[in-house]
Amino acid sequence: GESVGLHLPTLSVQEGDNSIINCAYSNSASDYFIWYKQESGKGPQFIIDIRSNMDKRQGQRVTVLLNKTVKHLSLQIAATQPGDSAVYFCAENAGNMLTFGGGTRLMVKP
Amino acid sequence: DGGITQSPKYLFRKEGQNVTLSCEQNLNHDAMYWYRQDPGQGLRLIYYSQIVNDFQKGDIAEGYSVSREKKESFPLTVTSAQKNPTAFYLCASMRSGKSTDTQYFGPGTRLTVL
Repeated sequence: GESVGLHLPTLSVQEGDNSIINCAYSNSASDYFIWYKQESGKGPQFIIDIRSNMDKRQGQRVTVLLNKTVKHLSLQIAATQPGDSAVYFCAENAGNMLTFGGGTRLMVKP
Repeated sequence: DGGITQSPKYLFRKEGQNVTLSCEQNLNHDAMYWYRQDPGQGLRLIYYSQIVNDFQKGDIAEGYSVSREKKESFPLTVTSAQKNPTAFYLCASMRSGKSTDTQYFGPGTRLTVL
């Protein structure tokens, strides 16, 4: 999702459910994509990455899907936990620079 | 303990003062970056450096200055010319600046103008 002024898109999920966070990227020449997690007052942390020659990559409880046809990236979090509550950013790399999406706030309800 | 450190964590500035934010990395990364983040917003690039003694302006460089005298250090000065400097500042580094490299971030410095 993209941010709109001061109001980040928010995804609210029940603890234990799966979460899907979406991101549209802009540059068809981008060949590397990253998801970051940012907790309040902290710097972004690397979660998972994917190269453009792949369409799916799995980590521990997280999966990233890449659809180059529609320039869409998604992050799936399995069995969402309270510690997953944060803002999630996607980033695309088309050279030596990253371009960041606006972020999505994930809220996990106990 | 490898990583990126930023100091101070919180910084208060009076109007008209210049302040310098520190960023140090011991990852032996060539490239370093400064971003600004406003509440509820994404990251905007201020300056970046791909090699010692060289740096480039990002999207919002006005009112800021940097230096890169050492590979591990990339300080950012917020000058009095920056009209709205209150924000969260993030430093990042990347191994070589290649398209398949990841940027790693420091913990950030929150600057408030009084």
